[in-house]
Amino acid sequence: DQQVKQNSPSLSVQEGRISILNCDYTNSMFDYFLWYKKYPAEGPTFLISISSIKDKNEDGRFTVFLNKSAKHLSLHIVPSQPGDSAVYFCAAGYMEYGNKLVFGAGTILRVKS
Amino acid sequence: DVKVTQSSRYLVKRTGEKVFLECVQDMDHENMFWYRQDPGLGLRLIYFSYDVKMKEKGDIPEGYSVSREKKERFSLILESASTNQTSMYLCASSTWPKNIQYFGAGTRLSVL
Repeated sequence: DQQVKQNSPSLSVQEGRISILNCDYTNSMFDYFLWYKKYPAEGPTFLISISSIKDKNEDGRFTVFLNKSAKHLSLHIVPSQPGDSAVYFCAAGYMEYGNKLVFGAGTILRVKS
Repeated sequence: DVKVTQSSRYLVKRTGEKVFLECVQDMDHENMFWYRQDPGLGLRLIYFSYDVKMKEKGDIPEGYSVSREKKERFSLILESASTNQTSMYLCASSTWPKNIQYFGAGTRLSVL
């Protein structure tokens, strides 16, 4: 039973354009969402997060949007750069419990120069 | 910067061997986690710990055990390694109240 789903295994984008990575969740009790980036042979690194009281959070080129009614979040990268090529994982958790996260399967992003 | 260090980057073991994967964090975090990453399955939680000597099962604990004798160290034990435990193993730590987990570089384990 996958509570967090990333339905696109891969995405290819031209340098300078927008990358949009999507994530759906089934558990309406999740109230905290994160995106991680992972390069080959390295551990995932935290990118950006959003709590359920917000619908948007921005950090430089990265913006996360949350649509609670649709149980959907997305990560926008503008403009995309070749160095953004990596696997992106969406994760969901509970602020109150502060520890466990549930991860999606990941989306491989390739930014072509 | 948070540093999570996993003792080995690559390990090759034989079926039936006992395997120890070690993880150390240097930020005094209360919570520590062990995941395995497999293609198409993402990160799956094996065990986690929220305090010394405390442990909780994750989603796939079968065939694994853990030990947390000191706050900074969390060990994953494969009692009798099997080929289906060939995977990338990732350790992470976090602290209250922020629910951000910081990961080590991973250990790629091959069981032959």
